[in-house]
Amino acid sequence: DSGVTQTPKHLITATGQRVTLRCSPRSGDLSVYWYQQSLDQGLQFLIQYYNGEERAKGNILERFSAQQFPDLHSELNLSSLELGDSALYFCASSPGTSGSLETQYFGPGTRLLVL
Amino acid sequence: SQKIEQNSEALNIQEGKTATLTCNYTNYSPAYLQWYRQDPGRGPVFLLLIRENEKEKRKERLKVTFDTTLKQSLFHITASQPADSATYLCALASSYNQGGKLIFGQGTELSVKP
Repeated sequence: DSGVTQTPKHLITATGQRVTLRCSPRSGDLSVYWYQQSLDQGLQFLIQYYNGEERAKGNILERFSAQQFPDLHSELNLSSLELGDSALYFCASSPGTSGSLETQYFGPGTRLLVL
Repeated sequence: SQKIEQNSEALNIQEGKTATLTCNYTNYSPAYLQWYRQDPGRGPVFLLLIRENEKEKRKERLKVTFDTTLKQSLFHITASQPADSATYLCALASSYNQGGKLIFGQGTELSVKP
């Protein structure tokens, strides 16, 4: 158990809908990262927040947005969902800003299926 | 464009042998490289980190090498066990101020037979 929690575990929704994925980092970690994993694209970095502020951005679609709250939990919002958004979404956390120099602790993931 | 390639085919080895996994990259100058293990349906688990100025790193039965000239990292598991069966991911990070951005390879599936 990494100490990172994600809810929900599974999500089934329809095209055009909007969903919110939630992540609670390990106790004491200030950085939260979001990744998308699909069979054809592998594990793709979406965005990082550090202590409430956006720190780094990957190839995150404009339909997707994220935020980190004062209690450090984070939410990833996916809107106007398309079939291709079906994937595993992982949240990870680390103590500081330089995640590349640190271990990133991954949560169990949210499996999203868009029908 | 930047590209990371890992052994595309699954690796099948006998218990007790050494497994060697490869991570090659192009059009990228990573300062740090990490290896993760991922079991089906679960999140990746960090194994080892190696910096560009380090040639080799070891942790118990694991060994990682990093050759910036060849643009390659090798990941070795010695005395492999069936419990080592999993997908192994390499991830690269730039030395520039990019926060925690990691670029992951597609992963290599390792199967250790008893």
